Parts: sequence; structure tokens; C-alpha cells
Amino acid sequence: SQQGEEDPQALSIQEGENATMNCSYKTSINNLQWYRQNSGRGLVHLILIRSNEREKHSGRLRVTLDTSKKSSSLLITASRAADTASYFCATGSGNTPLVFGKGTRLSVIA
Amino acid sequence: DAGITQSPRHKVTETGTPVTLRCHQTENHRYMYWYRQDPGHGLRLIHYSYGVKDTDKGEVSDGYSVSRSKTEDFLLTLESATSSQTSVYFCAISEGQGEDTQYFGPGTRLTVL
Repeated sequence: SQQGEEDPQALSIQEGENATMNCSYKTSINNLQWYRQNSGRGLVHLILIRSNEREKHSGRLRVTLDTSKKSSSLLITASRAADTASYFCATGSGNTPLVFGKGTRLSVIA
Repeated sequence: DAGITQSPRHKVTETGTPVTLRCHQTENHRYMYWYRQDPGHGLRLIHYSYGVKDTDKGEVSDGYSVSRSKTEDFLLTLESATSSQTSVYFCAISEGQGEDTQYFGPGTRLTVL
């Protein structure tokens, strides 16, 4: 069964606004990763945050992790039409395959 | 893009026929994965491989088998396709597990009539 659960399922914003999506999970992890999927394409890795980290940045992306609440958030600042995609969180624990959530569909309207 | 190709990219077949999907990598990564992606279910792991001839089941393995006779190739077989196996299938690779990034292929859209 899925470990990560993204929220919201879908999000529509105007270009230039910030987009925030959340991921909740159920069991202990040692890292959490975010991936992006453009329509009709494979997933692309965006960022990884380890369980001992609280925040990480990469360009316009900011990821936070709260292990006490078993949740993570992905913030995309100053969004662009090209950010339109589905975003998935994936949790890693030990030497087992990543477990992906169902994703958030982000639409950025120009 | 990482060197991952999937073939075929599209396939339409009939219920009861066998189907084999191929994933080929040029990265020499140890781990290879097969996922299916369906609306409302996200990405679900079917089988994965951690080396030549070493495979293990994922969350939705029933009705699927896999084989890996070479590092670069990972085959997914539907012995007798059913309409419930209509889906988009993705292959992924990674150097290791745990903290390692997965790199995805372009996907295969399979329709079972």
C-alpha cells in the first residue's frame, strides 16, 4: 500500500504565485524524495531530504520535513507555466524500494 | 535523460495473449524496477531486480513475471493479459536503494481489449 499521501490532489494557481503541496506518511523513514512528472513522461527526481534534516533548498524549490508529524511539504516559489506537472513524494526506509504517493496535479495558469 | 529505453512504447493486445515489455539501460545500475501507473492509484511497484537473476515482488505482482539475464535488460511479462492490466508501465533504475535516486524510462502504454 502507498506510504506517502499527497495533499491536495490538484492545485491551480496563477503564474508568479507560490505553490505548496504536502506529503504525509505512516511509518519511519530515512529519507523522503520529491519527483515531477510532466504529462506523458517518466518521473524526474527533484530533491531528497534525509530524516535528520528539516529543510532543504534547490533553486525555486524548498522542502521541509517534520518527522514528528510524519509530513513533508514542497514549496515552489514564483511558479511558471512550465512548472505545470504532477508532483510525487516517495519515502525511503532501509534497503527497500521507494514507496510513491498518488501525486498532486499542479496547473500554473499564465 | 538517463540512458533508459522502453519497448514498445505503445501496444494494444487482446485478453489472454502474452505480452513482454522490455527495459534497457546503459548506466550499469544495479537496481531495476517495473511500476504501473493508473488514475487514482499513483505509481505502484510490480517487481524489482537487485542484480542479474535476482528479483523480488512488489505491491502488485500478481499476473506479472520478470526476468533479468543481463545487467542492462529487465523484462516484464504478462503471461495472459487481462483488461485490468491496461495501464502505463514505467521502468526505473537506481544505483542502490535507500537514498538513491531513481531514474525513469519514458513509459509503455498498454491497452488490453
